[in-house]
Amino acid sequence: AQKITQTQPGMFVQEKEAVTLDCTYDTSDPSYGLFWYKQPSSGEMIFLIYQGSYDQQNATEGRYSLNFQKARKSANLVISASQLGDSAMYFCAMRFWMDSSYKLIFGSGTRLLVRP
Amino acid sequence: ETGVTQTPRHLVMGMTNKKSLKCEQHLGHNAMYWYKQSAKKPLELMFVYSLEERVENNSVPSRFSPECPNSSHLFLHLHTLQPEDSALYLCASSQDRGRANEQFFGPGTRLTVL
Repeated sequence: AQKITQTQPGMFVQEKEAVTLDCTYDTSDPSYGLFWYKQPSSGEMIFLIYQGSYDQQNATEGRYSLNFQKARKSANLVISASQLGDSAMYFCAMRFWMDSSYKLIFGSGTRLLVRP
Repeated sequence: ETGVTQTPRHLVMGMTNKKSLKCEQHLGHNAMYWYKQSAKKPLELMFVYSLEERVENNSVPSRFSPECPNSSHLFLHLHTLQPEDSALYLCASSQDRGRANEQFFGPGTRLTVL
């Protein structure tokens, strides 16, 4: 069965510093995708970054990078140069194919607070 | 309008009411999803529609009834809800044949059941 685990319910980071949000996953499928979403207090889920299971290089999108360690089944999100606007909930998610469509399961989330 | 929109943004209803949540996507996607987000719980997938056909129903109580009249619209009909159904209901859409199959989310409907 597929599973996503985020073990950090909450984290603080100083503005302009880098922070790593942890995510581990479990699946027996060779083909899967890993996503990170940001959810500000407004409620909307905002896509940040994607990593495919066959991608050789770690994904990067601006200040976001995904530290993909396939053997360890981890997909940590690294945010460089934190900004006050980065304060939000962050969710790791895994996509897999089942019953004729893609499914997405989410971790429990990490609340990030950026200190000025 | 662009992206995924949801109406209403906030809804308060009694346990005997009947209401509907609406979701519309303007992205040309072929799959749409309903999620429930309760406090202190992971996002829970409720329903999936692919090419307007329901392909997933995650043991959701029958007081929640989805409807997908076309690939751009998705409804969630609510009747005789319970207070524990109070949550944020998020709609999402994706292109099922895409590489990343990134799901785009709407802003959600904050539902309170009294």
